[in-house]
Amino acid sequence: KQEVTQIPAALSVPEGENLVLNCSFTDSAIYNLQWFRQDPGKGLTSLLLIQSSQREQTSGRLNASLDKSSGRSTLYIAASQPGDSATYLCAVNNNNDMRFGAGTRLTVKP
Amino acid sequence: NAGVMQNPRHLVRRRGQEARLRCSPMKGHSHVYWYRQLPEEGLKFMVYLQKENIIDESGMPKERFSAEFPKEGPSILRIQQVVRGDSAAYFCASSPPRVTGNTIYFGEGSWLTVV
Repeated sequence: KQEVTQIPAALSVPEGENLVLNCSFTDSAIYNLQWFRQDPGKGLTSLLLIQSSQREQTSGRLNASLDKSSGRSTLYIAASQPGDSATYLCAVNNNNDMRFGAGTRLTVKP
Repeated sequence: NAGVMQNPRHLVRRRGQEARLRCSPMKGHSHVYWYRQLPEEGLKFMVYLQKENIIDESGMPKERFSAEFPKEGPSILRIQQVVRGDSAAYFCASSPPRVTGNTIYFGEGSWLTVV
């Protein structure tokens, strides 16, 4: 059974810092991995989708990497802004079964 | 193309009542997923359905919870005799038949409060 872990559970940084969020998974036979953002009381917004054959995806200030063999993914956020404050969720897709980590709650202080 | 539509967005039920949450997938999507998010926790998989068929219900509690996705109409997550511990956000997602290379799309969620 796939287990997804996200570290740290919470992170607080000053505005402008670069930061890395970590996601690990136990079953490397995945189809893809997705990073989502969730604002309080809101739904999920898809940020980046990495297929199993890819190593990384970039969108603006966000870069997600995938190392399938070691069961790890990172989400790199460059030049963080207060508007980046949210919970970031990693989700791993095995055979039409998507499993989520518990998320990292990010606070970017002005 | 409308996104995944969930309703109601907020629902308050007294202990012992029934809660029904509805999900209309995106147009062209035949697969629906339900997830539950307890306060301060991540999303937990509950059930994966296609029209008239439950594919995987390994995350569903054994009692009081049921889900369906009829040939016509939205998918329904039904919780009978609700208890305080059922208070959570329930998210629905949908995907085309083959999800392996595709993003799945989430609704805005339904927040259930049991008083």
